[in-house]
Amino acid sequence: DQQVKQNSPSLSVQEGRISILNCDYTNSMFDYFLWYKKYPAEGPTFLISISSIKDKNEDGRFTVFLNKSAKHLSLHIVPSQPGDSAVYFCAARKDSGYSTLTFGKGTMLLVSP
Amino acid sequence: DVKVTQSSRYLVKRTGEKVFLECVQDMDHENMFWYRQDPGLGLRLIYFSYDVKMKEKGDIPEGYSVSREKKERFSLILESASTNQTSMYLCASSRPGGDWGGYTFGSGTRLTVV
Repeated sequence: DQQVKQNSPSLSVQEGRISILNCDYTNSMFDYFLWYKKYPAEGPTFLISISSIKDKNEDGRFTVFLNKSAKHLSLHIVPSQPGDSAVYFCAARKDSGYSTLTFGKGTMLLVSP
Repeated sequence: DVKVTQSSRYLVKRTGEKVFLECVQDMDHENMFWYRQDPGLGLRLIYFSYDVKMKEKGDIPEGYSVSREKKERFSLILESASTNQTSMYLCASSRPGGDWGGYTFGSGTRLTVV
């Protein structure tokens, strides 16, 4: 049972435009959501997070929106840059003790000049 | 610069071999994790540890074991490597709970079993 879903395997965007990556989840016990960015042959790097008590968090060009009633979150990148081309993973945490993360399958973003 | 270090970037092993993947973190984190990443499947949790000598199974523990003798070191062991264990293995660490910055990942070990 896939609890974190990224339904778009890939997304292509032109440089300077907005990239919107989507993520859906099924478990209402998730209390924290994160986005990670991964380049080939490297480990994922933390990008931005949001607690379940908030609906928006912003960090520079990156904004994450959380809609709890729809069990949906999205990552907005504005403006998109070619260096943003990577695989983006959505992740969710179920408890604050062990802090295990459940990851989506990832969305490959390609930003073309 | 704080980090998680995985001892090998690339490994090639033969079917049936016992394989050790090592991970060391310098952040004094309590929690450590092993994931594998496969195309189309994302990251899947193999094992994790929340304290020295403590371990918990993740979603796909079959064929694997782990060891955590010291807080900073978490080893993944493939008891008898098989070709379906060819994958990218990622180690991560974190502190527990609260307002949280998530995991810090290592660079990964690309394991090929032939």
